Amino acid sequence: AQSVTQLDSQVPVFEEAPVELRCNYSSSVSVYLFWYVQYPNQGLQLLLKYLSGSTLVKGINGFEAEFNKSQTSFHLRKPSVHISDTAEYFCAVSENTGFQKLVFGTGTRLLVSP
Amino acid sequence: EADIYQTPRYLVIGTGKKITLECSQTMGHDKMYWYQQDPGMELHLIHYSYGVNSTEKGDLSSESTVSRIRTEHFPLTLESARPSHTSQYLCASSELPSGGASQYFGPGTRLLVL
Repeated sequence: AQSVTQLDSQVPVFEEAPVELRCNYSSSVSVYLFWYVQYPNQGLQLLLKYLSGSTLVKGINGFEAEFNKSQTSFHLRKPSVHISDTAEYFCAVSENTGFQKLVFGTGTRLLVSP
Repeated sequence: EADIYQTPRYLVIGTGKKITLECSQTMGHDKMYWYQQDPGMELHLIHYSYGVNSTEKGDLSSESTVSRIRTEHFPLTLESARPSHTSQYLCASSELPSGGASQYFGPGTRLLVL
């Protein structure tokens, strides 16, 4: 079975600073990787996903993530954050066989202050 | 823009009451899911469906039940609500076959059982 670890429960950052949210996963088979964002009182919205091919994936709102198979990581980055990026960010993994259920990490709260 | 709807958005109800949380999607997706999310925690899959007349239990044991009589509709029912059922419930859908297909989430229902 697969699992996801988001080591940082909260990341405070100043506006216009760069940010990296860390995600590590474990699985015995090949996986698909996802980052979702959840704004207060809303559902989850897909930021980006890695299926195959280029290990650098670009998503919406200026976010990107890099898949590193040797380190089993899929860290999310943004070069310059805005106040509006304040939200909860979830990394998720699904195995590329069977039903492909999503397994989520515990989330990282990004707090952007002026 | 994903079209998946959940009603009610908020529900406060007494112990012992029967409740049904509604979920509908207009994208024609075959796969649908129910997740339970406690504050500051990851999402746990409690039910999923491959299509009409298909329902399966997820990774987290739940006293709720689901039905899938129509492709677009995936309601969740609690026959007798208890305070331990207090949580946020998120509905999602995705295409078949998955192949890394993205899950689209509804806005969620926040349930408080007194």
